[in-house]
Amino acid sequence: DAGVIQSPRHEVTEMGQEVTLRCKPISGHDYLFWYRQTMMRGLELLIYFNNNVPIDDSGMPEDRFSAKMPNASFSTLKIQPSEPRDSAVYFCASSFDSGLVQPQHFGDGTRLSIL
Amino acid sequence: RKEVEQDPGPFNVPEGATVAFNCTYSNSASQSFFWYRQDCRKEPKLLMSVYSSGNEDGRFTAQLNRASQYISLLIRDSKLSDSATYLCVVMDTGRRALTFGSGTRLQVQP
Repeated sequence: DAGVIQSPRHEVTEMGQEVTLRCKPISGHDYLFWYRQTMMRGLELLIYFNNNVPIDDSGMPEDRFSAKMPNASFSTLKIQPSEPRDSAVYFCASSFDSGLVQPQHFGDGTRLSIL
Repeated sequence: RKEVEQDPGPFNVPEGATVAFNCTYSNSASQSFFWYRQDCRKEPKLLMSVYSSGNEDGRFTAQLNRASQYISLLIRDSKLSDSATYLCVVMDTGRRALTFGSGTRLQVQP
C-alpha cells in the first residue's frame, strides 16, 4: 500500500519566493497533519484537518503560512513570501478515526532551504 | 518549560547493553502516549504505544506513571540497528495532534 506521499522531496529557493508543499494522505485516512522539524525547535505541529476541515491551526507561525485541503486525497502548505527562518523539514502525516487512537503515518518529508 | 522533556543524549552503548530513556510531560490532560523512532534524515515512525499497565514488544518495554507524568522506554540486548533518535510523544484529550519531545539519540557501538 502507498504511504503518505509528499512532494517535492527537496526545495531550494530564494527568500521572497512562494513555496508550495504537497501531500497525499493514505487512502481512507480522515486526519491530515502538517509538522515542521528544525534543530532548534524539534518537531512541532503546524495545522491539522479532519474530513478536509481545518481543526487546529494554532501552530501556524504567521500569516505567511497557509494550508488547504480541497479534497480527501490532497493538501497543500504554502509559504508566501518565504524567509530563511522557514528552512526546515516539513512532514505531512495522516491517520484514521476508529474510535481508538490510531498511529499517525508520516511521509518522507520535504527538506526546504530558503536562501 | 517544554511540554515534553527528554534527555537529548547521546547515549553511547555497546551491543548487547540495556539502555533506558526517560521522559516527562507537563500537561495532565495528556491522554495517549507513544514512542517514535527517527533515523537520520528520515521520517518518524511509531515504535510502540504506551499503556498505563506497561507493555512489552520483544526487546522493548514501555512504562507510564500518570501520577508522576513520567514515561520510560527500556531496550534490552541492544543491536546496532537500534541506533536512532527516540522521540517521546503525547496526545492531549480531545486533540488529535501529537506533541513531540526533542528526542534522545542512541548510538549502539560494536
